Formats: sequence, C-alpha cells, structure tokens
Amino acid sequence: AQTVTQSQPEMSVQEAETVTLSCTYDTSESDYYLFWYKQPPSRQMILVIRQEAYKQQNATENRFSVNFQKAAKSFSLKISDSQLGDAAMYFCAYKVTGGGSNYKLTFGKGTLLTVNP
Amino acid sequence: NAGVTQTPKFQVLKTGQSMTLQCAQDMNHNSMYWYRQDPGMGLRLIYYSASEGTTDKGEVPNGYNVSRLNKREFSLRLESAAPSQTSVYFCASRTTGTGELFFGEGSRLTVL
Repeated sequence: AQTVTQSQPEMSVQEAETVTLSCTYDTSESDYYLFWYKQPPSRQMILVIRQEAYKQQNATENRFSVNFQKAAKSFSLKISDSQLGDAAMYFCAYKVTGGGSNYKLTFGKGTLLTVNP
Repeated sequence: NAGVTQTPKFQVLKTGQSMTLQCAQDMNHNSMYWYRQDPGMGLRLIYYSASEGTTDKGEVPNGYNVSRLNKREFSLRLESAAPSQTSVYFCASRTTGTGELFFGEGSRLTVL
C-alpha cells in the first residue's frame, strides 16, 4: 500500500522568509501524481501545486515550488517570501494514474505552518 | 460556481442516532469521495465512487454506508453513531486526467 509521510508536524517561518516542507512517499509505481494542499483555519482544502511523476521539471506556482526527487521518493514544498496568509495546515498527497483502485488519493498527516510577523 | 456542496456544516448527535451527510457537485466529475479528518491523522478515505453506480471501501469504512444517487450526488450515512465517529467529514470530487480533488467545505460532526 502506498504511504505518504510528512515528518514535520509543525514548522514556523518569519514573514518574507523562505520555508521548506518535507514529504516522502512509498510506492512501487512509476507513473503517479503528487499534490500539496493547503488548509487554512477556514477548513477549506485548497490545491497549492501538482506534479506529474513523468515530468522531470519541478512544478512552480508563483511563490510556491517543489523539489521532486523521484528516485528518493521525495516531494518537498518551498514557500518563498512567506506571507501571513500562508499560515495553514499543509498536506502532501499521492495518486497513481489510471483507474480501478487507483482512484484513491493518499494523504500525509499534515504540517502546521505558522508565519510570524 | 458552487463546486462541491456539503450539508449540514455542523451536526451534534447522540450515540446510536443515525444521520446522512449530503454531497453534490456541479462539475460533471465522475469520481466522488468521502474523507474524515482527525487531529494528527490527516485525511483518511472512508468510501469512494469511481463512477455513477459504483462504490468502494476506503481505509476506514466501518460504521458507514454510502449511496451514489446519480452523477452529482454522493451521500454518507451513519446508521448508529458512535463517539469515535466525531470528526470533520469532507466530500470531494475528481476530474479525470489530472487527478486533482475538489473539496467541499467540510462537515463537523460531534457524537455525544
């Protein structure tokens, strides 16, 4: 079974600084998706960034970027120029491509990010 | 522009009572999901429906039943609520291709 591990239950960063959240996963598949979701205090789950495993180039979305290391099964999220609105719980998630039982997305336990003014 | 809509947003039940969480999506997605979120546990899959007419168990299906009423609607039923089912429940739907989930706003359920 696939597992997703976020080893940092909590992280903090100063406003305007950069922070990196870690995620590792265990899989025997070669083709899959990886995601980072953000959950602010409003409880809404918001997609931050997505990476297809077949793409070697790391995904970026404005101040958010990932470091995808397929061989190491590592998928870290870097937040640059941190803002107060970035304070949230961040979840890493994994999904194998294709159908059948591969419809399931597996989530890590989350990292709570605090942004200090 | 509703996306995924869940009702109710909050509910308090007594042990042994039953209730149904409703979920509807207007994005014409084939796949729908129910997750529960508990502190320190992340999101755990209860049931999912890959397409209309099919449902499958996830990681933590015990104590729950689901119905995929049509392509838009996917309900979660607790037949006899237990305190261990106190949680925040999320419904989600998924587009084909990208694998991305679109979530509802969550339903906080407390079982006394």
